[in-house]
Amino acid sequence: EAGVTQFPSHSVIEKGQTVTLRCDPISGHDNLYWYRRVMGKEIKFLLHFVKESKQDESGMPNNRFLAERTGGTYSTLKVQPAELEDSGVYFCASSPQPGSYGYTFGSGTRLTVV
Amino acid sequence: AQSVTQLGSHVSVSEGALVLLRCNYSSSVPPYLFWYVQYPNQGLQLLLKYTTGATLVKGINGFEAEFKKSETSFHLTKPSAHMSDAAEYFCAVSDNQAGTALIFGKGTTLSVSS
Repeated sequence: EAGVTQFPSHSVIEKGQTVTLRCDPISGHDNLYWYRRVMGKEIKFLLHFVKESKQDESGMPNNRFLAERTGGTYSTLKVQPAELEDSGVYFCASSPQPGSYGYTFGSGTRLTVV
Repeated sequence: AQSVTQLGSHVSVSEGALVLLRCNYSSSVPPYLFWYVQYPNQGLQLLLKYTTGATLVKGINGFEAEFKKSETSFHLTKPSAHMSDAAEYFCAVSDNQAGTALIFGKGTTLSVSS
């Protein structure tokens, strides 16, 4: 079975630009999660989708971040406008059931804002 | 609120030596505990997890961890390090409610020398 796929793997953008990250979960996984790791800090939860609905978006840092999950399949995370502090690695994970014990993580997207 | 402390951001061992990566957690409810590993240019891979039952948990690649409630610890060990174990290791905690997020420690980079 294919794993969780994220792309791009790397993105370098200028401050003020817009970037969209994409995550394709494992087929049939209703639960999709976004996490990010800012340089030198912990990996932190951003939000959780169940199918196309946002179950928990308590970790979203501010309204410059917009996450969507079209038709309950792939998800996008848009940062607009990007700031320097948004640089880091953005991870996506999916699971068939709710609950952290069933996660499969993707390889992450490394975002650099210059 | 839950939290995780990983003691030592960098641990160096010789090949064949014992690996000990320390993790202490804080949780007001019985926790679920996890160790993840990230090899260079790869995603987060689950090494092992504790949810309920036996407190000594065995994972992949010869790693194991013991949940010690009295010490609020979940240290990761491996009797004999291999060069391929060089990676970054993350301890994480969640409560036992379905759908809740993982709280990660800052990570420990393991270096293995020949």
